[in-house]
Amino acid sequence: AQTVTQSQPEMSVQEAETVTLSCTYDTSESNYYLFWYKQPPSRQMILVIRQEAYKQQNATENRFSVNFQKAAKSFSLKISDSQLGDTAMYFCAYLLIQEAQKLVFGQGTRLTINP
Amino acid sequence: DVKVTQSSRYLVKRTGEKVFLECVQDMDHENMFWYRQDPGLGLRLIYFSYDVKMKEKGDIPEGYSVSREKKERFSLILESASTNQTSMYLCASSPAGTGRINEQFFGPGTRLTVL
Repeated sequence: AQTVTQSQPEMSVQEAETVTLSCTYDTSESNYYLFWYKQPPSRQMILVIRQEAYKQQNATENRFSVNFQKAAKSFSLKISDSQLGDTAMYFCAYLLIQEAQKLVFGQGTRLTINP
Repeated sequence: DVKVTQSSRYLVKRTGEKVFLECVQDMDHENMFWYRQDPGLGLRLIYFSYDVKMKEKGDIPEGYSVSREKKERFSLILESASTNQTSMYLCASSPAGTGRINEQFFGPGTRLTVL
């Protein structure tokens, strides 16, 4: 079975700093997607960024970018110029294409941005 | 904007009660999902549905059932609630794939406490 591991339960940085959240996953498959989801306090979970495993280029979305190392099965999220609104739980998730919509989530990292 | 709503934000029930959690989406999505979120465990898939009256078990279906009589509504049922079902329950929806993996949109969650 596929597993996703986020080894940092909590992180805290100062506003405007850059922070990197770690994620590793275990799979023997080659066709899959990886996602980072954000869950702000008392608000709905939203998608931050996605990466298709067959693409070598790392995905970016404004201040958010990923470092996708397929051989190492690593998928870290970098947040540049962090803002107070980035305070949230962040979940890494894996999806095997053959299993359609079955997302497998990591344990989550609670990120706090301090003023 | 996609909107996924859940019937209650907070719910308190007693052991042995039958509990219904309702989820409604307004974007005509084919796929709907129920997850439970527990600290240190992330999100785990309970059931999902890819069409009206269709359902598939996720990773932790024991003690739960679901109903999807209309496309926009997906209900999670706890036939006889137990204290170990105290958790946050998240509903999500996504459109059917058309050659790509689609984003899941989440509801605000229902925090269920079973006494």
